[in-house]
Amino acid sequence: DAKTTQPTSMDCAEGRAANLPCNHSTISGNEYVYWYRQIHSQGPQYIIHGLKNNETNEMASLIITEDRKSSTLILPHATLRDTAVYYCISLPSTSYDKVIFGPGTSLSVIP
Amino acid sequence: SQTIHQWPATLVQPVGSPLSLECTVEGTSNPNLYWYRQAAGRGLQLLFYSVGIGQISSEVPQNLSASRPQDRQFILSSKKLLLSDSGFYLCAWNRLSNQPQHFGDGTRLSIL
Repeated sequence: DAKTTQPTSMDCAEGRAANLPCNHSTISGNEYVYWYRQIHSQGPQYIIHGLKNNETNEMASLIITEDRKSSTLILPHATLRDTAVYYCISLPSTSYDKVIFGPGTSLSVIP
Repeated sequence: SQTIHQWPATLVQPVGSPLSLECTVEGTSNPNLYWYRQAAGRGLQLLFYSVGIGQISSEVPQNLSASRPQDRQFILSSKKLLLSDSGFYLCAWNRLSNQPQHFGDGTRLSIL
């Protein structure tokens, strides 16, 4: 079973911010929160990751709550090309066998 | 820059036939390598990972096996395919376990 929970699907209007939530209430202190996305029939694409602090890169921002039990991926200005399945996973720094991708959130960006 | 290649992109095989999917990484050395399977509409399931040549760890009991004959080559195999082996197979790599994994474009395997 996935260690994170995400809504099954979300819609977002083109040009608006897309805020994708993720719950990871059992996350351990050494586990990072990673976000990937998968456009249909392609391999997942890395977006961003963080441990405690909020992170920002050219693709998105990651907001992690102070207790680290949840996080939000923010796509500031969603485009139609952002339509994809978004995966939130928690990954320990040392244990390969804990990598679990759940079903993710299917984001539809609507014109 | 580093790149990862998987082939073939699609494959249709009869039940009971053998399988060999190949994954190679360029532009890096001693990568960690991973094989995942994704059933339709589902998340990714980690099948195998490798931290070095000849070192393979299996995550789930199954009809498949993996090998790493060279540093940047990862092969997924089966002697006799089952219908349940159908799916989207993805190879990934990273340099360290706490770094992002980079995925190939996958192989869509259909068993008839």
